[in-house]
Order: sequence, then structure tokens, then C-alpha cells
Amino acid sequence: DSGVTQTPKHLITATGQRVTLRCSPRSGDLSVYWYQQSLDQGLQFLIQYYNGEERAKGNILERFSAQQFPDLHSELNLSSLELGDSALYFCASSVAGFTGLNEKLFFGSGTQLSVL
Amino acid sequence: AQKITQTQPGMFVQEKEAVTLDCTYDTSDPSYGLFWYKQPSSGEMIFLIYQGSYDQQNATEGRYSLNFQKARKSANLVISASQLGDSAMYFCALRSNDYKLSFGAGTTVTVRA
Repeated sequence: DSGVTQTPKHLITATGQRVTLRCSPRSGDLSVYWYQQSLDQGLQFLIQYYNGEERAKGNILERFSAQQFPDLHSELNLSSLELGDSALYFCASSVAGFTGLNEKLFFGSGTQLSVL
Repeated sequence: AQKITQTQPGMFVQEKEAVTLDCTYDTSDPSYGLFWYKQPSSGEMIFLIYQGSYDQQNATEGRYSLNFQKARKSANLVISASQLGDSAMYFCALRSNDYKLSFGAGTTVTVRA
């Protein structure tokens, strides 16, 4: 168990809808990362938050947004969903994320999103 | 921009034998870190091993070792004495000065009894 909690584990929704994925980082970790894993794109970095502030941005669509709350949990909001958004969404956490190249990321079990 | 290449989409290995998973990378940063993660069928990503670009010795963690060839920009993972539980997808990842962790496409390993 990595200590990173993601809910829900599975989500089935329809095109055009909006969903929220939730992540609780490991105790003591200040950084949260979101990744999208799909068969055609592989593991893509979406966004990183550190202590409530956006730290780095990757290939995140404008329809997607995220935030990190004062208790350090994070939510990823996906709106106007399309079929191509179906993927496994991972949350990861680390102590800081920019203090050393060797800093490990600990991953949650992911949320499997299916857009029908 | 950094790029990580894993050219083996799938591999089969006999139980108790060793297997080498290839990873090549491209970065212009002089300092970087290389990671390997395992993703079993249950889906979670598990950290296996880390190698820093300035580390003098190849990293080892139990049955996992990293064959790091800096001049060739290669960081191959060696799993010794394969076990059935090693069947999974394995990802090579790179972090350089922007601190983003970028992943390769992965290699699926199937261990046969």
C-alpha cells in the first residue's frame, strides 16, 4: 500500500458530463501529481500541485482542471467529457517534488474512467 | 524536451531466469534521475529502483539491478531469478531539471512456470 488514496476506483459516465476525481496524498507529502494512462498515449503527466499551489503543468486539456486544498487532498475535474477521455487516472504524491532528482513518486491505485 | 524509449512491447521469461528490459533516453540536462516502476495487472504503480546520472555505481535493489551506460544514454533493468509475481508492465522514467517525471511506453513481462 503506497499510502496514496484515490476515489472512486471506477467511474462510468456519458459524453458531455463532468466528473471529479479525488486524491489523498501520503501523510507528510506536500506535492500531488496527476497522470493520465491510456493505451494510445501511455502515461502522460497532467499537472502538479505543491502545498496548494500549481507547480508544473503538462499535457492537461483546458476542459480539465485541478486543485489542492488546505488539507492537501487534491481533486481533478474533467468536464465536457469525450470518448477519448476514457483512461486510468493516477494520482501520485511526493514530499516536495523539486528538492532532488531522486525524489520518489508514490502512486495511488488509479481511477478507471469510462466515457460511454 | 526529454524522451524515453522502451522498444520491447512484450517479453516472455522462464521462471528463475533473468530478464533485461531496455530503456534509452534523451535529455540535454547534465543532471537527471532514472526510475523504474512496475505496474501489475491490479493497476497500481510500484517504485522499483533509482539511478542518478552522477552515481558512480549501478543501482541495485534486491533482485533488481540497473545497467546504466551513461554515454549510450541507456538504463536497462535486470530482473534476476524471475518469479511468477514479476509478471507485470514495467516503465522506465526520467526526471531532469524541470523535475517532471516522464515515462516510457512500458514493457510487458510474462513469467512462465
